[in-house]
Amino acid sequence: GDSVTQMEGPVTLSEEAFLTINCTYTATGYPSLFWYVQYPGEGLQLLLKATKADDKGSNKGFEATYRKETTSFHLEKGSVQVSDSAVYFCALSTNAGGTSYGKLTFGQGTILTVHP
Amino acid sequence: EAGVAQSPRYKIIEKRQSVAFWCNPISGHATLYWYQQILGQGPKLLIQFQNNGVVDDSQLPKDRFSAERLKGVDSTLKIQPAKLEDSAVYLCASSPTGTSGGLQFFGPGTRLTVL
Repeated sequence: GDSVTQMEGPVTLSEEAFLTINCTYTATGYPSLFWYVQYPGEGLQLLLKATKADDKGSNKGFEATYRKETTSFHLEKGSVQVSDSAVYFCALSTNAGGTSYGKLTFGQGTILTVHP
Repeated sequence: EAGVAQSPRYKIIEKRQSVAFWCNPISGHATLYWYQQILGQGPKLLIQFQNNGVVDDSQLPKDRFSAERLKGVDSTLKIQPAKLEDSAVYLCASSPTGTSGGLQFFGPGTRLTVL
């Protein structure tokens, strides 16, 4: 079955540091890939997505590139801020013949804490 | 635009008791999902509705969990009887018809503690 593996966490960084959160996946067919973020006290929200190989998703300074050859979708940001502190989830979605359309399979999440 | 609403936000019950959660999706969204998120894990899909029909309930423990979406709008998820391992956050999400897979809008969740 489909699965998503994220790097072991939590991650603690100083403000303006470079961020990488690793994500690899296993899926049948050609999944769409996503990063969702959960800020403290809020619901999950979409951060960025990519729907085919070599696509780059980007939003709020974050970016991730769909790498089919390495089955990866690593999240990066060049300079993190305290406000980026949150839990980040990598996820995939496949459309298996029209059933379970839009079903998301999530990784375990990575807690990011950014200190001033 | 109002977001996905869930209630209650928190619930504490004893094992073998029953509990129900309510979700009101974004207006006009045909697809509704219930996820279970155990502490330290990512959300896991329990059930997916398209309007008032079930699309996927393969991971719903049907001996104790049930869900309905009678008029294709709001939905309830019930657990009867609850077990200790049901302690988790229950997330409701919705998406509009025809959206590319994976774009879902999540509610704040209901945190269930089973003692």
